[in-house]
Amino acid sequence: DAKTTQPNSMESNEEEPVHLPCNHSTISGTDYIHWYRQLPSQGPEYVIHGLTSNVNNRMASLAIAEDRKSSTLILHRATLRDAAVYYCILRRIIQGAQKLVFGQGTRLTINP
Amino acid sequence: NAGVMQNPRHLVRRRGQEARLRCSPMKGHSHVYWYRQLPEEGLKFMVYLQKENIIDESGMPKERFSAEFPKEGPSILRIQQVVRGDSAAYFCASSPLSGEQFFGPGTRLTVL
Repeated sequence: DAKTTQPNSMESNEEEPVHLPCNHSTISGTDYIHWYRQLPSQGPEYVIHGLTSNVNNRMASLAIAEDRKSSTLILHRATLRDAAVYYCILRRIIQGAQKLVFGQGTRLTINP
Repeated sequence: NAGVMQNPRHLVRRRGQEARLRCSPMKGHSHVYWYRQLPEEGLKFMVYLQKENIIDESGMPKERFSAEFPKEGPSILRIQQVVRGDSAAYFCASSPLSGEQFFGPGTRLTVL
């Protein structure tokens, strides 16, 4: 499985934008970039995904580098409820299986 | 539309006992995945099932662990003769044929 690298932790202030980076230099042409987050004591929650173009949804934006070797999850205006571990995952479909390979993720702390 | 349901939410077992963890997927989802999360670690894939079939069990320990997803009823993850190292949070996710995985709240297993 192609690997992703994320900072262990990041800190930001409430109501400010947050940029969470992810490196995936061994990404293949058919790998989608997915982001999930896990709030304390909860299961992971889907945030956003993309292939080549930048993506926006109600939760966040995903900026993908032109060479696809890195991406950035953008929370436009962080709230205390955004404090979570954020996982950047490359999703590859292998013989029909669609398992997710989680790394250590980035623990995001939001200061009031 | 109810989300993925898991029960029990907390399970305490003594060493040598059996643990049965249940997962009811979201309505309309025929794909179920089990993941394990040890304390302070990311989630690790265990097994991927469709109705009555195990598709990928590459993450399952070779002994004591089994999973099923019968035609009727929830998916079951069964751990026989539990040991302290089995203490973890076990998450189930479901998805439609292609699409995002939705996670349940998890079962926290404690082995005394």
